[in-house]
Amino acid sequence: DTEVTQTPKHLVMGMTNKKSLKCEQHMGHRAMYWYKQKAKKPPELMFVYSYEKLSINESVPSRFSPECPNSSLLNLHLHALQPEDSALYLCASSRGQGKTEQPQHFGDGTRLSIL
Amino acid sequence: GENVEQHPSTLSVQEGDSAVIKCTYSDSASNYFPWYKQELGKRPQLIIDIRSNVGEKKDQRIAVTLNKTAKHFSLHITETQPEDSAVYFCAASIQGAQKLVFGQGTRLTINP
Repeated sequence: DTEVTQTPKHLVMGMTNKKSLKCEQHMGHRAMYWYKQKAKKPPELMFVYSYEKLSINESVPSRFSPECPNSSLLNLHLHALQPEDSALYLCASSRGQGKTEQPQHFGDGTRLSIL
Repeated sequence: GENVEQHPSTLSVQEGDSAVIKCTYSDSASNYFPWYKQELGKRPQLIIDIRSNVGEKKDQRIAVTLNKTAKHFSLHITETQPEDSAVYFCAASIQGAQKLVFGQGTRLTINP
């Protein structure tokens, strides 16, 4: 069973559209992540939220805008995307910062296609 | 920054044989090393992890070994089964950095 839930599972959008990806976890984790994964490649970190604050932005273009409304939810707002942004977008969560790195658990992802 | 290299990129073994996947990392400060299994169209699933204060960890048919001096770690799967077929990713992280750096992945195929 997936403990990190992502919606929608699939999304097709035009380059001028605005859409949002959603991620939810109820494990009490305080760190949440967005990754981008292209076919046959490893996940590539985009953003990290720690205790609802943005702690890492891996120089992601501004057409991707993350939001963490509360400790259980993570959104990724999309606007004016390019065809090369087509990919699988994965959300993950972990217990959060501390002395010991904690395992990250992934959701099933949203497969995004830009027309 | 950290760089993780993973070999081989593809691996084919007969059912029942063992499979070994190797990774090397560049940053000696890295101290957490998870392994993920990703089946086609599915999410990466954590299968085992190891921290730098441990040299080996085992979970049933899966084991991971870590050599801090040489900066490499390996995944060992024994008595392979068809359901072990997937892409396996190693990763490395520096404590508290919350940033996993992944290897390029190994496509493992188990031949019946």
